[in-house]
Amino acid sequence: DVKVTQSSRYLVKRTGEKVFLECVQDMDHENMFWYRQDPGLGLRLIYFSYDVKMKEKGDIPEGYSVSREKKERFSLILESASTNQTSMYLCASSSGQSGQETQYFGPGTRLLVL
Amino acid sequence: RKEVEQDPGPFNVPEGATVAFNCTYSNSASQSFFWYRQDCRKEPKLLMSVYSSGNEDGRFTAQLNRASQYISLLIRDSKLSDSATYLCVVIPMEYGNKLVFGAGTILRVKS
Repeated sequence: DVKVTQSSRYLVKRTGEKVFLECVQDMDHENMFWYRQDPGLGLRLIYFSYDVKMKEKGDIPEGYSVSREKKERFSLILESASTNQTSMYLCASSSGQSGQETQYFGPGTRLLVL
Repeated sequence: RKEVEQDPGPFNVPEGATVAFNCTYSNSASQSFFWYRQDCRKEPKLLMSVYSSGNEDGRFTAQLNRASQYISLLIRDSKLSDSATYLCVVIPMEYGNKLVFGAGTILRVKS
């Protein structure tokens, strides 16, 4: 079974703090993704990566950065957390490049920024 | 206009009912279509892909209408365990394997 794990299920941070969200997958997948999910808006893509040290902006990259130093690990960084970054953050991974591959999601991190 | 639109519901149906959801997409170049299911406070999981000719998986039937740019999901003989949010997912051709998600339709099956 594919397993995608995220470092925390719940996080509470203060405005201006630097926040690291970690994601690890154990299936040697090339592709990894970070989404945020908000009520009424669905999942929106923040950043994704097709390979180690490679990253591409998604639809809402502002205020975020990412790091992929190893194939199995994809980190999302909030350089200076703001209250509008309170959300559920979901990491996903998939293999291949055809677009038909299933994305497997981690359990999510619910972040509250005060 | 959102790229992928769904009726948020909730759809409240009794056990055994047949229920259908539609989802419309705006990008006519979209090539791949899926339904994901998300249980309360859980991560999304792939329910089924949607093929041009339509496809069935047990009680679930997915259809694609390219001319009208919508996909549908039909659930027959609803079970309590079908209660979840159903996410419509589209991959526009130029996006590679980036998924575009709808906001989801909530289904509640009651006994």
